Parts: sequence; structure tokens; C-alpha cells
Amino acid sequence: EKVMTQSPATLSLSPGERATLSCRASESISDNLAWYQQKPGLAPRLLIYDATTRAAGIPARFSGSGSETEFTLTISSLQSEDFAVYYCQQYNRWPLTFGPGTKVELK
Amino acid sequence: EVQLVQSGTEVKKPGESLKISCKGSGYNFNTYWIGWVRQRPGQGLEWMGIIYPGDSDTRYGPSFQGQVTISADKSTGTAYLQWGSLKASDTAMYYCVRHGGSDWNARWFDPWGRGTLVTVSS
Repeated sequence: EKVMTQSPATLSLSPGERATLSCRASESISDNLAWYQQKPGLAPRLLIYDATTRAAGIPARFSGSGSETEFTLTISSLQSEDFAVYYCQQYNRWPLTFGPGTKVELK
Repeated sequence: EVQLVQSGTEVKKPGESLKISCKGSGYNFNTYWIGWVRQRPGQGLEWMGIIYPGDSDTRYGPSFQGQVTISADKSTGTAYLQWGSLKASDTAMYYCVRHGGSDWNARWFDPWGRGTLVTVSS
């Protein structure tokens, strides 16, 4: 099983700041990585797939980078609606696995 | 519009059985993998398993193999998640998810259903 880790667990930032979230795989997953955003009381929403491709309707301030074992989600300038929990997920091999999440909170 | 519509909230007792559903619409149900993700209260996301309705090929996460059954009815475009004997630890929100594309490699999840809350308590 490919284990996903995320750091930091919590990121405290102000609107307008840049957010950098990290995701690491226990072994290479090529570019088979997705990012999701989850707000309280709502289902997660797909942001990024194939490590760098934004999903339909996702603003350009969200970008993904990385390959193999190290990945990054960057939010270039935080908006009020971006404070949420972010999860990465690998789909290189069964079983599909998620990271534990990074909470982006208001400083 | 692609949609996954899940069945409603359930409150059950330990030892009872349960089957929850997820109806897909707006796409060819038979050619996309569809499955389930668990989220316990205050916790992260856990992939439970997934089924390909076209041939009923089913995969389970190691923690869920033998604990739940995933099935699909092609005639109604509905996927199911069922338990034979619920435990208090099954209390969670269960999300229905579809793979992002019909291609084998498109194993990200999009869209997501709104979730079905299952509470198991004596």
C-alpha cells in the first residue's frame, strides 16, 4: 500500500497570502496524484488531477506541481473561500489512498 | 450534468444490516468506476472500494475487504454499499464517488455525492 503524508497539518495564513501545501508518497506514484478541497459540512471537491491539471471550474490561483514522491499544491493568493481542509490522493496503484489532510485556517 | 444522488440519513443499532444507495445520472453508468469513501466524525478520507458496473469488477481497500459489499444495478444506474452486521465504529459519513474518466488511469474522484450519514448506536 502506498502511504501518503501531508505537511503541515495546519497552515495559519491571512487572505492574500500564498499557501504552499506538501504531499509525499512512500514510493513513486509517477504523476498519479489528485488534490481535493473540503469545507465543513460539504463533500470534498476535486481541484487538481494528474498532479498539475486543474479540474473544470477551478480558479487559476490553484496550481499543482511535482512528480514521483514529492508534490505541492499552491494557492497563489488566499481568498476567504479557500480556508478549508485539503487532501491529496494517489491513484497509481490499488488500494487508492489519501493523505491525512492539511487544514488551511485564518490567522 | 453528471450527478450522484445518495440515499438519506440512517440510524441503526449494532448488529443490524444496512444497504445505502447512490444513483448516477448524466453519463454512461456502465463505463465509469463508481465507489465509496468513508469519513468518520472529525477524521480524514478513507477509500473503501469501487465497482465497474459494466462487468461488476470490484476492488476493496484492505480495511474493508470482507466487512462491506459493493454492488451495482446497471438497469437502474445505482450503486450500493451494504453491511451485514453494523458496529458502532461504522458511524460515519459515506460518500459516493465516480472515477474522473472512463480511462483505466483516471482514478481520481469526480464528482462526489453529498454523502449519507450513518449512525450506529444502541
